[in-house]
Formats: sequence, C-alpha cells, structure tokens
Amino acid sequence: NAGVTQTPKFRILKIGQSMTLQCTQDMNHNYMYWYRQDPGMGLKLIYYSVGAGITDKGEVPNGYNVSRSTTEDFPLRLELAAPSQTSVYFCASRSLNDSPLHFGNGTRLTVT
Amino acid sequence: DQQVKQNSPSLSVQEGRISILNCDYTNSMFDYFLWYKKYPAEGPTFLISISSIKDKNEDGRFTVFLNKSAKHLSLHIVPSQPGDSAVYFCAASAKSSASKIIFGSGTRLSIRP
Repeated sequence: NAGVTQTPKFRILKIGQSMTLQCTQDMNHNYMYWYRQDPGMGLKLIYYSVGAGITDKGEVPNGYNVSRSTTEDFPLRLELAAPSQTSVYFCASRSLNDSPLHFGNGTRLTVT
Repeated sequence: DQQVKQNSPSLSVQEGRISILNCDYTNSMFDYFLWYKKYPAEGPTFLISISSIKDKNEDGRFTVFLNKSAKHLSLHIVPSQPGDSAVYFCAASAKSSASKIIFGSGTRLSIRP
C-alpha cells in the first residue's frame, strides 16, 4: 500500500550543486506532477507528465528538469542549486483527468 | 497571475460549529475543483471534489458548493472537530489545459475547544 514514494525526505545542498529528487508510484497512474511549497505559500506546479515519454512545464519550471521513462518514476533534477530553490517538494499522481491527486510526503530541500 | 485565490490565510472556529472556507478563481475554463487538507510534515490529502456540471457535492461532514457565475467555491465542515485543524487548499483544473492542476495559497483552519 505504498502509493507515492519520495526520496530523500531531507537534503541540504550548497549553491551550485546538483541533485535528483526521486518519485515513484505503484498505482499505475498515467499522470504525475511535481509541486513546490514555499513557507506560508500554496503549491506551485513545476512540471507534469501525462504518460511515459511526455512531460510539460507548469507554473515555475525554471531551474528544473524532469524525465518520464517509465509509468512508475518521475524524477526531478536540479542542475545548479540556488537559495531560491529552498522549498518543500511534493510529487503527486492520478489515474484519470478528472480524478484526485495522490501526494507523497515531500522532500524538504535547503540550499545554502 | 493567481488563477486560484484563497483570500483568508487563517480561520478560527469553535468546536462543533460550522467552518466555511472560501476560494475564488479567475479562469472560466476551469471545470473540476478539489479541496485538500494538509497537516505539517505530510503531503496534502484529498477531501472532496466537484465537477462544473454540479453546484453541490456532499461527503459526510464536508460539503463543497460551486457558484460558476461568481467563480466561487466554498467548503463547509459541520460540525467542526479538533482533528480538522490543518491547512486547506483549493485546487482547480480544466480539460483544455491538459491536466494542469492549480492550487490556491491555503487557509489555516484552527478549531478551538
């Protein structure tokens, strides 16, 4: 009964470092999403995917890259970390266009 | 350009009374709306949704009302319980925008004894 799994839970990066936030789901969902939540703010959509091999930009894509080689996995890549990318990152998935999102528990990233 | 707005950052309600959380949207193409609840250090969890073909959807203590002409929706929780204390997010999507789901900034609900 795993649902959406995100790793790591916490990470501290230095400015200019790179990392990949992992997200995997075991519900065979076609749609997957990455959001970020800054302190006291709502969720902003970074990238999303409607199926393997298809990705598209959300509201705040700059500084990030994604890939979707399988239905299960949707990693988010930060190439040159900046302090503005300090945030909590949430991955989510859903089965159909009009169905709810299922979220992971988030990755808390600090860039110093 | 905030397409989904929750203008009340916080709300305090007495236990047992009704909690009403509001949400406004600007994009008339939105046709599916959702409410999520979030506790600290956890991911948001789905509460209730409504399609634009309806004006009300009920699930236990939670009811969502949609007023398309006003581009406004609200979540009613009755009776409010201590476990309802959380941040509530409103979200919306449109079939025409290929599955993008846009969230509001959230309302922190506190239920006082």
